[in-house]
Amino acid sequence: SQTIHQWPATLVQPVGSPLSLECTVEGTSNPNLYWYRQAAGRGLQLLFYSVGIGQISSEVPQNLSASRPQDRQFILSSKKLLLSDSGFYLCAWSWASGYSDTQYFGPGTRLTVL
Amino acid sequence: ILNVEQSPQSLHVQEGDSTNFTCSFPSSNFYALHWYRWETAKSPEALFVMTLNGDEKKKGRISATLNTKEGYSYLYIKGSQPEDSATYLCAPYNTDKLIFGTGTRLQVFP
Repeated sequence: SQTIHQWPATLVQPVGSPLSLECTVEGTSNPNLYWYRQAAGRGLQLLFYSVGIGQISSEVPQNLSASRPQDRQFILSSKKLLLSDSGFYLCAWSWASGYSDTQYFGPGTRLTVL
Repeated sequence: ILNVEQSPQSLHVQEGDSTNFTCSFPSSNFYALHWYRWETAKSPEALFVMTLNGDEKKKGRISATLNTKEGYSYLYIKGSQPEDSATYLCAPYNTDKLIFGTGTRLQVFP
């Protein structure tokens, strides 16, 4: 069976500090990978998605970046955090990127930027 | 930007009550609608994927209907139980991604 891991579970960072959130998937190969963010009072917003190693699509211009150094590893980064980066970050995977493909979510990381 | 609206924002019901809530989305360029359940301290969990107008899906006491012509989907829970307490998210598929609504937060009191 497939499992998805995210860490850390919670993070409190000062404004201007760097960020690295990691997501790994087990039990599948060449998954589509996604980073979402839920800000307070907002719906889940897609930030990045990847269909393969080194292939990243960005949905929203911002000071965040994503990388996929290995097939089942997806990393969300920032060089300098802003207050507006606070939120709940979810990683997800799917078998493919078709309209009926279910996405499977990880446990999430709650990020507070102070 | 696709506008996805879910109503009500929150709902409190007694155990045993049946309830329903709505997801509204633009009817043009429709491909599919996904429903997820998100319990506190857990990951969002897929409930249904619906693609055809008039589709009806069922999973235990939870069912959903889809009207693609008018752009809405209803989620029904029959005989709500405390374990049904969660936020229910809908997400139509647009172009190449899911667009999530803000959800309906359901609390079921014993």
